[in-house]
Amino acid sequence: DSGVTQTPKHLITATGQRVTLRCSPRSGDLSVYWYQQSLDQGLQFLIQYYNGEERAKGNILERFSAQQFPDLHSELNLSSLELGDSALYFCASSVNGIDTDTQYFGPGTRLTVL
Amino acid sequence: QQPVQSPQAVILREGEDAVINCSSSKALYSVHWYRQKHGEAPVFLMILLKGGEQKGHEKISASFNEKKQQSSLYLTASQLSYSGTYFCGTEYGYTNFGNEKLTFGTGTRLTIIP
Repeated sequence: DSGVTQTPKHLITATGQRVTLRCSPRSGDLSVYWYQQSLDQGLQFLIQYYNGEERAKGNILERFSAQQFPDLHSELNLSSLELGDSALYFCASSVNGIDTDTQYFGPGTRLTVL
Repeated sequence: QQPVQSPQAVILREGEDAVINCSSSKALYSVHWYRQKHGEAPVFLMILLKGGEQKGHEKISASFNEKKQQSSLYLTASQLSYSGTYFCGTEYGYTNFGNEKLTFGTGTRLTIIP
């Protein structure tokens, strides 16, 4: 158990819909990262937040957005969902959000778009 | 720029050794190694910084060759629990472009048989 929690564990929805994934970092960690893992694309970095501010942005689609709240939990919003958005979405957290930090991954949310 | 991992898959008997390589076409700042078991989240193994240092946890160690822009993960006297997919994640330094953040290789699937 990494100490990072993600909800929900599974999510099934239809194309065109909008969903919100939630992540609570480990106690004391200020930075949160979001990753997408699909069969054809592998593990991809989406976005990073540090203490409520966006720190780095990766291959995140415009239909996706995220934020980190004052209590440090984070939400990833996915809208206008397409079949290709079906994937495992992982959240990770680290203490300072710097390159050499250890990132601890949550158990993931499996999103299925039908 | 996605790092290249080799081999893509390897099958070992318990007690045998394995080497997994991670190569980059760009100068590396750091390399992260993770292991992921099927259906689970990636688990951090170690981080290496440029400078050719070697790190290790008991029978799992790694090296970083800055000149070759390559890192290698060494698993000695493998155990059944070592089975899983090993990912390297590479970073190229501080950047505002975000897509230079941790970039994962496609993984090496390691199977240990009794």
